[in-house]
Amino acid sequence: DSGVTQTPKHLITATGQRVTLRCSPRSGDLSVYWYQQSLDQGLQFLIQYYNGEERAKGNILERFSAQQFPDLHSELNLSSLELGDSALYFCASSVTGEGETQYFGPGTRLLVL
Amino acid sequence: AQKVTQAQTEISVVEKEDVTLDCVYETRDTTYYLFWYKQPPSGELVFLIRRNSFDEQNEISGRYSWNFQKSTSSFNFTITASQVVDSAVYFCALRFLGAGSYQLTFGKGTKLSVIP
Repeated sequence: DSGVTQTPKHLITATGQRVTLRCSPRSGDLSVYWYQQSLDQGLQFLIQYYNGEERAKGNILERFSAQQFPDLHSELNLSSLELGDSALYFCASSVTGEGETQYFGPGTRLLVL
Repeated sequence: AQKVTQAQTEISVVEKEDVTLDCVYETRDTTYYLFWYKQPPSGELVFLIRRNSFDEQNEISGRYSWNFQKSTSSFNFTITASQVVDSAVYFCALRFLGAGSYQLTFGKGTKLSVIP
C-alpha cells in the first residue's frame, strides 16, 4: 500500500457525461500528479499540482481539468466524455515535486460507453 | 525530448529462470532520474527503484538487480530465480532533474509471465 488513495475504483458512464476522480496523497506529500494509462498511448502525464498550485502540464485535453485543495487532496474533472477517454487514471504523490520518488495510487478505471 | 524504450513487449520464462528486462533511454539532460515500476495484474503501480544519473553503481535487492550504464543509456533490470509472483508489467521511467519538467516519461512496459 503506497498510502495514496483514489476513489472511485471503477466508474462506468456514458459519452458526453462529466465525472470527477478524487485523490488523497500520502501524508506529508505536497505534490500530486495525474497520469492516464490507455492501451494505445501507454502511461502519459496529465498534470501536476504542488501545494495547491498548478506546477506542470502534460498531454491534458482541454475537456479535462484538475485542482488541488487546501487539505492537499486533488480532483481530476473529465467532461464531455468520449469513448477514447476510457482508461486507467492514476494519481501519484511526492514530497515536494522535485526529483524524489512518485508513489502511485491504485488507480480509477474509467469506462465510457 | 525524453524517450524511454522497452523493446521487449512480452517475455515468458519458466519459474526459477533468470530474466533481464531492457530499458534504453534518450535525454539531452546531464542530470536525471531513472525508475522502475511494477504493475501486477491487480493494476496498481508499485515503485521498485530510483537511480540518479550521477550514480552508476549497480544495485541488488534480494532477487532483483539493476545495471545502469550511462555510456549506453541503459538501465536494465534482472530478476534472479523468477517466481510466479513476479508476473507483471514492468515499466522503466525517466525524469529530468532540473526545474520545469516534473513528470515521469514512461516506456511502453514489458509484460513478464512466469510459468510454474
